[in-house]
Amino acid sequence: GAVVSQHPSRVICKSGTSVKIECRSLDFQATTMFWYRQFPKQSLMLMATSNEGSKATYEQGVEKDKFLINHASLTLSTLTVTSAHPEDSSFYICSANIDYTEAFFGQGTRLTVV
Amino acid sequence: GQQLNQSPQSMFIQEGEDVSMNCTSSSIFNTWLWYKQDPGEGPVLLIALYKAGELTSNGRLTAQFGITRKDSFLNISASIPSDVGIYFCAGQSGGSQGNLIFGKGTKLSVKP
Repeated sequence: GAVVSQHPSRVICKSGTSVKIECRSLDFQATTMFWYRQFPKQSLMLMATSNEGSKATYEQGVEKDKFLINHASLTLSTLTVTSAHPEDSSFYICSANIDYTEAFFGQGTRLTVV
Repeated sequence: GQQLNQSPQSMFIQEGEDVSMNCTSSSIFNTWLWYKQDPGEGPVLLIALYKAGELTSNGRLTAQFGITRKDSFLNISASIPSDVGIYFCAGQSGGSQGNLIFGKGTKLSVKP
């Protein structure tokens, strides 16, 4: 299957700082990339849909100024958690689609804000 | 909005037993996907289903896309310890750039 690489896998940051997470499709050009958040023992919650060269579409309740998404190319999307607080600590996962069908996921990023 | 009901929530089985889990939806999906997630990792695609009634296998895994397009099941035959993990179903309605609606997951535990 297609490979999606997410970096970093773990990050610890101080409250008030910003953290950038990268999502790359390694062997295909992704039509669309998605960002999810997952709380312990829960399912994935879609945060935003990202298309190359256009503004991301955020789900209801997700602050676009806090979770900045940049989709610079067909193989790279980034999520920046700005002014992070402890409640932003979570597992963030990206996925990339081929032709609006199968979604392939990155390895996830465990963010801990202290 | 669209919702997926996935059951069971968790299963404890003996190695060698068969497993079945399913998802039902309040609305129609064009695609059903089944994923497995290990702790601290992203979900890995197991099986993708594109047509109503489609039955697809991947090794010991078999999944079907319900005829009504509102349900899907995943079977695992002759379970082994490495089958342990959380299994998610996901539906895709097709008109939404491909974003997925996820079930809440089935946690599978296998006793050796």
